Amino acid sequence: GQSLEQPSEVTAVEGAIVQINCTYQTSGFYGLSWYQQHDGGAPTFLSYNALDGLEETGRFSSFLSRSDSYGYLLLQELQMKDSASYFCAVRDRGGYNKLIFGAGTRLAVHP
Amino acid sequence: SQTIHQWPATLVQPVGSPLSLECTVEGTSNPNLYWYRQAAGRGLQLLFYSVGIGQISSEVPQNLSASRPQDRQFILSSKKLLLSDSGFYLCAWDRGPDTQYFGPGTRLTVL
Repeated sequence: GQSLEQPSEVTAVEGAIVQINCTYQTSGFYGLSWYQQHDGGAPTFLSYNALDGLEETGRFSSFLSRSDSYGYLLLQELQMKDSASYFCAVRDRGGYNKLIFGAGTRLAVHP
Repeated sequence: SQTIHQWPATLVQPVGSPLSLECTVEGTSNPNLYWYRQAAGRGLQLLFYSVGIGQISSEVPQNLSASRPQDRQFILSSKKLLLSDSGFYLCAWDRGPDTQYFGPGTRLTVL
């Protein structure tokens, strides 16, 4: 089957940099996505990596290493509003863009 | 632009009562549609997905069913709710490989 592992919680202070790791096991890999979810809200798409390397979007970057079945989300210049849960996801081998989500990493940003 | 709607936003139902949650998408045609459930503090579990009118695939055996009577309408139903059906129900549609966009969700409490 397919599975993803990510830390359950991460804590950081405002202005710092934090990295949220994700390792995955999948029979067919199509790409790694990241989603952000604030308490009580819906998940929102952050980034997608299909190829190895770093993708940067403002303060957020996402990295993928297909040979290591590993990726991470890097958040820089942390702000209080970044406190949320972050999920990595891979596409299910069954296709149709069915996504398998990790259990999520809860990020708490403190002053 | 595309938008996705869900209603109701919150729902409290007694055990054994029926359920109907609705999801509609605007601004696109023939989307893939998905129903997820999220337990408190947990990840997202895919319940159903649909690639077209009348086409429903179920991911896990459960007390729920789904229907897609129109291209941009996706309905989640139950004939008799269980306590374990409580959770945050999210509808999503896809817009490209590994990228899904989520509705605002319905928070269901079964008492």
